Amino acid sequence: QVQLQESGPGLVKPSQTLSLTCTVSGGSISSGSYYWNWIRQPAGKGLEWIGRVYTSGGTNYNPSLRSRVSISVDTSKNQFSLNLSSVTAADTAVYHCARLVAGIHWYFDLWGRGTLVTVSS
Amino acid sequence: QTVVTQEPSFAVSPGGTVTLTCGLSSDSVSTSYSPSWYQQTPGQAPRTLIYSTNIRSSGVPDRFSGSILGNKAALTITGAQADDESVYYCVLYLGRAIWVFGGGTKLTVL
Repeated sequence: QVQLQESGPGLVKPSQTLSLTCTVSGGSISSGSYYWNWIRQPAGKGLEWIGRVYTSGGTNYNPSLRSRVSISVDTSKNQFSLNLSSVTAADTAVYHCARLVAGIHWYFDLWGRGTLVTVSS
Repeated sequence: QTVVTQEPSFAVSPGGTVTLTCGLSSDSVSTSYSPSWYQQTPGQAPRTLIYSTNIRSSGVPDRFSGSILGNKAALTITGAQADDESVYYCVLYLGRAIWVFGGGTKLTVL
């Protein structure tokens, strides 16, 4: 059974870069027609799609975050990663990685439990 | 900026039926927006309920159903149970590889 697990620092200083990794276990990140996504959730608020990466390395980002976001994939490690630069307190959130099914149907079918990142000095 | 709208909260009695909706600030929701629905309980990962408007994800009870009602996507829970008390999110595909979530509806079963 495929599972996703987020990892990375839980505390990042303002103006620095937030870096997280999602490890895919129980299956290959390269198999099937999937996009690999980052989604975040500030405390007490709703979900916000950050962006996605395909195993070819192609990416798409939320326009509101595009200037600060980079998502990459490392198929040899079965991982994909998020970098968010110039962070502020508004970037404090639980960050989830998620798999997007692509094809006849498009939807998020698998989620990680999320990791809390706090931006504070 | 396009906003996906959901009711902030809803209450239903055990055994009752409730319909949650998912709208767009700038357009009517249709199947082309590929609406999907997710259930989240505190501290847990979201769980996929419905995709492509009305297809139940594997293992989801048939008391959950999806549809288009008027100009919105809808999630109907028939015969609500106590463990349906959760936050429900919809997400729409806006094209150009952009996905937008609604703000979520907190459902109380009481």
